[in-house]
Amino acid sequence: EVQLVESGGGLVQPGGSLRLSCAASGFTFSSYWMSWVRQAPGKGLEWVANIKQDGSEKYYVDSVKGRFTISRDNAKNSLYLQMNSLRAEDTAVYYCASHQSDYFDYWGQGTLVTVSS
Amino acid sequence: AIRMTQSPSSFSASTGDRVTITCRASQGISSYLAWYQQKPGKAPKLLIYAASTLQSGVPSRFSGSGSGTDFTLTISCLQSEDFATYYCQQYYSYPITFGQGTRLEIK
Repeated sequence: EVQLVESGGGLVQPGGSLRLSCAASGFTFSSYWMSWVRQAPGKGLEWVANIKQDGSEKYYVDSVKGRFTISRDNAKNSLYLQMNSLRAEDTAVYYCASHQSDYFDYWGQGTLVTVSS
Repeated sequence: AIRMTQSPSSFSASTGDRVTITCRASQGISSYLAWYQQKPGKAPKLLIYAASTLQSGVPSRFSGSGSGTDFTLTISCLQSEDFATYYCQQYYSYPITFGQGTRLEIK
């Protein structure tokens, strides 16, 4: 059974940093692209970033470029999102998702990030 | 960025109804379109990809069609478990973008 489990969310002050993790199991992690997708409270879905199987390609939505960094460790079956210079508008549930093409086959349950003073 | 616009944003229907949700892209995206279902407090679930290919395990009452800029998701006979929010998503070009969602409520 495919499982994606996010962790690392919480309350952080504006300008602060947070690192999200996603632990994968039940599939060959190193064979899949991985993404982070977020959802602000009561709002729709927004793709944030993705990373190729070997980490050689990464893409970001403009609003997080230069502030967020996606990475992965295939030996640990883990995906990460380092978030710096956080803003109130980054408040959202962050989901990790797996994909081979750029639609999302499997999703985690999400982790809530709240940016507030 | 390609803008995805869904209509309607919300509507009410009854079990057994046939419903159609529309998604329009701001430029042509060939068939690089997916549909998701999301229930409150849960992660989205992939229903359809490549505009019309049903994801494994998804009931056959769900179907998708379209190409270019105009797409539809049809549920042929609404069941109680289908009341949820539906999103379309284009993966033709970066940034990947979603529609704003269509909330389907019980009449």
